Amino acid sequence: AQSVTQLDSHVSVSEGTPVLLRCNYSSSYSPSLFWYVQHPNKGLQLLLKYTSAATLVKGINGFEAEFKKSETSFHLTKPSAHMSDAAEYFCVVRGGVSFNKFYFGSGTKLNVKP
Amino acid sequence: GAGVSQSPSNKVTEKGKDVELRCDPISGHTALYWYRQRLGQGLEFLIYFQGNSAPDKSGLPSDRFSAERTGESVSTLTIQRTQQEDSAVYLCASSSGTQPYTDTQYFGPGTRLTVL
Repeated sequence: AQSVTQLDSHVSVSEGTPVLLRCNYSSSYSPSLFWYVQHPNKGLQLLLKYTSAATLVKGINGFEAEFKKSETSFHLTKPSAHMSDAAEYFCVVRGGVSFNKFYFGSGTKLNVKP
Repeated sequence: GAGVSQSPSNKVTEKGKDVELRCDPISGHTALYWYRQRLGQGLEFLIYFQGNSAPDKSGLPSDRFSAERTGESVSTLTIQRTQQEDSAVYLCASSSGTQPYTDTQYFGPGTRLTVL
């Protein structure tokens, strides 16, 4: 069975400091993993995805994530937070025999302080 | 080109009424998904279409929920005899459907349903 656990419901950082949003997954298959961002009153936007190629995945807006199979983790990082990064972030695992079912984490709200 | 669109953007209804939510996917996308997002929670998978068929309906919460898709384009999600616990944002996404393992989903803005 597939599932995703986002370890922090809220994360608060100061502008210019690093961001770490944690995600652990469970998958019966070789997973396909995604991070999405949802800004207030806006639709979900794909940040990055891992599909069994390079384990370090670079996404938009300076975000990246590293797939660590031994730790079943796919944490999202950014070296320096910007005020515009304040949003809710969702870790997603794709799984199932048909690969057409997506399991979303409960989300992490990122607050960026000036 | 145009993204995924959904209508209405907001719907307020009375308990017991039926509602229809519409999704227009990106042109040419054969895969279409419906999700529900309750306040403060992640997305909950409802149903998936490949073309006009729905091979996976396992997420539909009850028989009050149904969905159809015609012409490999527009999809409607129907909720009959709405209950207050149906209040949520209903999101639609589409993907090309050509590379099942690597396809990216593109999401619409959602329909906010409030059941009074």
